[in-house]
Amino acid sequence: AQKVTQAQTEISVVEKEDVTLDCVYETRDTTYYLFWYKQPPSGELVFLIRRNSFDEQNEISGRYSWNFQKSTSSFNFTITASQVVDSAVYFCALFVYNQGGKLIFGQGTELSVKP
Amino acid sequence: DAGITQSPRHKVTETGTPVTLRCHQTENHRYMYWYRQDPGHGLRLIHYSYGVKDTDKGEVSDGYSVSRSKTEDFLLTLESATSSQTSVYFCAISDQGTGTDTQYFGPGTRLTVL
Repeated sequence: AQKVTQAQTEISVVEKEDVTLDCVYETRDTTYYLFWYKQPPSGELVFLIRRNSFDEQNEISGRYSWNFQKSTSSFNFTITASQVVDSAVYFCALFVYNQGGKLIFGQGTELSVKP
Repeated sequence: DAGITQSPRHKVTETGTPVTLRCHQTENHRYMYWYRQDPGHGLRLIHYSYGVKDTDKGEVSDGYSVSRSKTEDFLLTLESATSSQTSVYFCAISDQGTGTDTQYFGPGTRLTVL
């Protein structure tokens, strides 16, 4: 079975705190991709990052960083020095190649950053 | 930003009426997808298309049909809308032919079935 679990339904932090959003995935495929999307209150889905299963290097983009660990099937997302504009729902997703290729989404983590 | 539009953006309809949602892209991407978003479920795939006239079912396809007669347009039809189909519907596109595999999403359509 292929599945993505985001155990944290809601997280609330105060501005400038660091916050980590957890993502655990399940798949038997050896080739797959992992994604993070952001959905701000306006409702659109914004692509943040794509990582393939053969690349376990961590990635940093400004205040955002991602930690991919195949040994624990996790792809966690950290926001450093959070800001109010980071308030959104964040989705982790697994792309698998069977059935034409499809994204399997986690249920999302709602992050609220308070001033 | 990927050129994806969805119409209508909001629709209220009554149970039993047919409804068609349209997704239009200007990127000439091969793959197009329809998802629905419901609280507690994230996004779930309804149908997808891998080319003109080539479509297949996703995990929640019951009650929905799709058509793709042109590369740029992917239509989602609810033949007889039910209240359980009240949801936000997102279209996505992907250019898997170049190996990018990233799906880019349209702005969404909020559908309410009374």
